[in-house]
Amino acid sequence: KAGVTQTPRYLIKTRGQQVTLSCSPISGHRSVSWYQQTPGQGLQFLFEYFSETQRNKGNFPGRFSGRQFSNSRSEMNVSTLELGDSALYLCASSLDRPGNYGYTFGSGTRLTVV
Amino acid sequence: DQQVKQNSPSLSVQEGRISILNCDYTNSMFDYFLWYKKYPAEGPTFLISISSIKDKNEDGRFTVFLNKSAKHLSLHIVPSQPGDSAVYFCAASALNQFYFGTGTSLTVIP
Repeated sequence: KAGVTQTPRYLIKTRGQQVTLSCSPISGHRSVSWYQQTPGQGLQFLFEYFSETQRNKGNFPGRFSGRQFSNSRSEMNVSTLELGDSALYLCASSLDRPGNYGYTFGSGTRLTVV
Repeated sequence: DQQVKQNSPSLSVQEGRISILNCDYTNSMFDYFLWYKKYPAEGPTFLISISSIKDKNEDGRFTVFLNKSAKHLSLHIVPSQPGDSAVYFCAASALNQFYFGTGTSLTVIP
């Protein structure tokens, strides 16, 4: 079965712009989580959506937002981009609670802000 | 506030020897601990996990040990193979939110 698909794979944006990233989870998975990976910081949790509702949220500013559609696909939006937003953004899906099997991750979207 | 820490950014091991990757955590409420492996240009892939009620879980060449009193988790890979060269992240979950460490880059030398 198809894995978690993230588009686009690479993005270059200018400071002040906004960006939307897309994630299609594994078929049947209803939970989608987003992470930011930067060197030295590991994976920082952004938010989790389940059945179109935000179920958990990390400690990121309000410029970072997301949503989930009825088919479980999710989008993440970052407004007023800053240089420090340059990172690999990873989407992960699971059936419901990740539990002891964790997530399945996508390959990520590499965002560069110039 | 880093609740999960991997203090060794990198580790090099000879092929066939044991690789030991370490992870420390601060939150005693964590109920599951997991290890992920990440190759460049790919997302992390789930490797092995352990519940907080256990102290050891084994899957083939991979064994995870949990020492709750020390709040310490380790991953043992025996024998190490060149294909194991990757970045390894430990993660812990509480209230269904996952916290990841900063990763350890393992290089297995042929």
